[in-house]
Amino acid sequence: NAGVMQNPRHLVRRRGQEARLRCSPMKGHSHVYWYRQLPEEGLKFMVYLQKENIIDESGMPKERFSAEFPKEGPSILRIQQVVRGDSAAYFCASSPPIFKETQYFGPGTRLLVL
Amino acid sequence: AQSVTQLDSQVPVFEEAPVELRCNYSSSVSVYLFWYVQYPNQGLQLLLKYLSGSTLVKGINGFEAEFNKSQTSFHLRKPSVHISDTAEYFCAVSEETSGSRLTFGEGTQLTVNP
Repeated sequence: NAGVMQNPRHLVRRRGQEARLRCSPMKGHSHVYWYRQLPEEGLKFMVYLQKENIIDESGMPKERFSAEFPKEGPSILRIQQVVRGDSAAYFCASSPPIFKETQYFGPGTRLLVL
Repeated sequence: AQSVTQLDSQVPVFEEAPVELRCNYSSSVSVYLFWYVQYPNQGLQLLLKYLSGSTLVKGINGFEAEFNKSQTSFHLRKPSVHISDTAEYFCAVSEETSGSRLTFGEGTQLTVNP
């Protein structure tokens, strides 16, 4: 039973470029969450999605960031026109439809903006 | 809104010594509580969780935690640590009424020395 998968594991972008981070939840999980971990800090919630729906995006920056979880395929976190302050580890978690309190985390994508 | 405070940012201990990592939370409603462990450059692994029932929760790798509602605490303990327990530990909380997003503490770096 594969865990939560994220790719790429490492991503380097220059300022102004776009970053696309992918997350495939565990089998049977229909809820996906994105968190950001800045250096030397804890994880901060960004967005909570179900298939084709954004449930809670209260932690998403108002500009340049978007997320989707289509009917088919992985969830995507998209960052447009990246800046140095976007450099962080981005973690995806998933949970099943019933016991959604328990989230299982992927290995993360470490984004470095030059 | 909920918040989590991990009182110690660094905890150095010697191998086979007992350890307690402290966590206090703030919330006006019922909560679910979690401890996660993060090894260097990896994702978060669930150690244990409290959803309801017995306030003493046992987790993986010999860890346990006790939910104390009156003191709003959820301290993590292990009677005898190993070198391999060296990692960052995160306490997290989610509220019954605010959906499933997790609020994390800033983390405690546990370093086990020989």
